[in-house]
Amino acid sequence: EAQVTQNPRYLITVTGKKLTVTCSQNMNHEYMSWYRQDPGLGLRQIYYSMNVEVTDKGDVPEGYKVSRKEKRNFPLILESPSPNQTSLYFCASSLNTGDRGMETQYFGPGTRLLVL
Amino acid sequence: KQEVTQIPAALSVPEGENLVLNCSFTDSAIYNLQWFRQDPGKGLTSLLLIQSSQREQTSGRLNASLDKSSGRSTLYIAASQPGDSATYLCAVSINQAGTALIFGKGTTLSVSS
Repeated sequence: EAQVTQNPRYLITVTGKKLTVTCSQNMNHEYMSWYRQDPGLGLRQIYYSMNVEVTDKGDVPEGYKVSRKEKRNFPLILESPSPNQTSLYFCASSLNTGDRGMETQYFGPGTRLLVL
Repeated sequence: KQEVTQIPAALSVPEGENLVLNCSFTDSAIYNLQWFRQDPGKGLTSLLLIQSSQREQTSGRLNASLDKSSGRSTLYIAASQPGDSATYLCAVSINQAGTALIFGKGTTLSVSS
């Protein structure tokens, strides 16, 4: 089954304790991205990756890191989480034609993070 | 700066009604537009993608239209069912590479039986 998986689905942590949220897709997609969703603010892009070893900042990258060492995986790293990073996080992937805008986006189930 | 607005924020209808969800964007220079469905506790599911050169796309009971010049898109749902209850979001692609997507805040639809 074609899918995007995220782990963990729920996480409670404390300020300053490094954490990683994993994202994996089995569709051989080049493009992957991370979003956060907050009430009243909607979905905002954190980082994206056009392919292996190619990453770039989205609209709200502060406090986050990513890496793309393999095509299927795109982990989101919070080096020193703070309460304002409490949010619902989504990973997404798609093919990357690179010439006509976005392709059909496939989203993971989400990771709900609470930073105390 | 591109802004995407979805009105109304919430909508309740009885089962069987045909309904229209609206999405408007401030800058007509988009490459395409995508409609998504989000169920509580779940991720987004892509429903329809319309390229900027297209006027509409259809999938089953869903029909999405795009009027780029006026900055509007509509999602038409025919013969609504309780299973259609969800939040519907639209997103526009503002660059050729497809890396910059701007999302609306969504319309939460409730269909009662």
